[in-house]
Amino acid sequence: KQEVTQIPAALSVPEGENLVLNCSFTDSAIYNLQWFRQDPGKGLTSLLLIQSSQREQTSGRLNASLDKSSGRSTLYIAASQPGDSATYLCAVRAGNTGKLIFGQGTTLQVKP
Amino acid sequence: NAGVTQTPKFQVLKTGQSMTLQCAQDMNHEYMSWYRQDPGMGLRLIHYSVGAGITDQGEVPNGYNVSRSTTEDFPLRLLSAAPSQTSVYFCASSRAGGSSNQPQHFGDGTRLSIL
Repeated sequence: KQEVTQIPAALSVPEGENLVLNCSFTDSAIYNLQWFRQDPGKGLTSLLLIQSSQREQTSGRLNASLDKSSGRSTLYIAASQPGDSATYLCAVRAGNTGKLIFGQGTTLQVKP
Repeated sequence: NAGVTQTPKFQVLKTGQSMTLQCAQDMNHEYMSWYRQDPGMGLRLIHYSVGAGITDQGEVPNGYNVSRSTTEDFPLRLLSAAPSQTSVYFCASSRAGGSSNQPQHFGDGTRLSIL
């Protein structure tokens, strides 16, 4: 059974820091991996999607990497800003069915 | 672009009542699914569908029914609401196909309280 873990559960950093959020999964046979952002009381916004054949994806200050062999993905946020404060969720798609398995998220606070 | 639309946004029910959470998407996506989000439990899959007329159970299906009569709509029915079903419910959709670059699109959620 696929399990997804995110560490740490919460993170507080001063503005301007570069930071890394971690996601690990137990079964390397994934279809893709997606990082989401969730603001309090809101829905999920897709940030980056990495296909199983890819090693990384970039969007602006965000960079996500994928190492299937070790069952790990990282989300790198450069030059963090208070507006980056949110919960970040990673989810793996185990097959071509649309089913996602989520980690429990990392809640990020960026202090001015 | 409407994307994935969920209604209602908020609902309060009494134990034993039934209701339907609506989900509609306008992107002609084949795949649709329902998740519930609970503190400390993350998002868990309730039911999913790979196309009209086809549904299957996810991780936590008990107490919920679904049907998929059209590509656009995927309603979630609570048969007899229980306090344990107090949660935030999210509907998601994505395209099918052989490529793995199809992201999931989520609605804004329905916040449901069962008294």
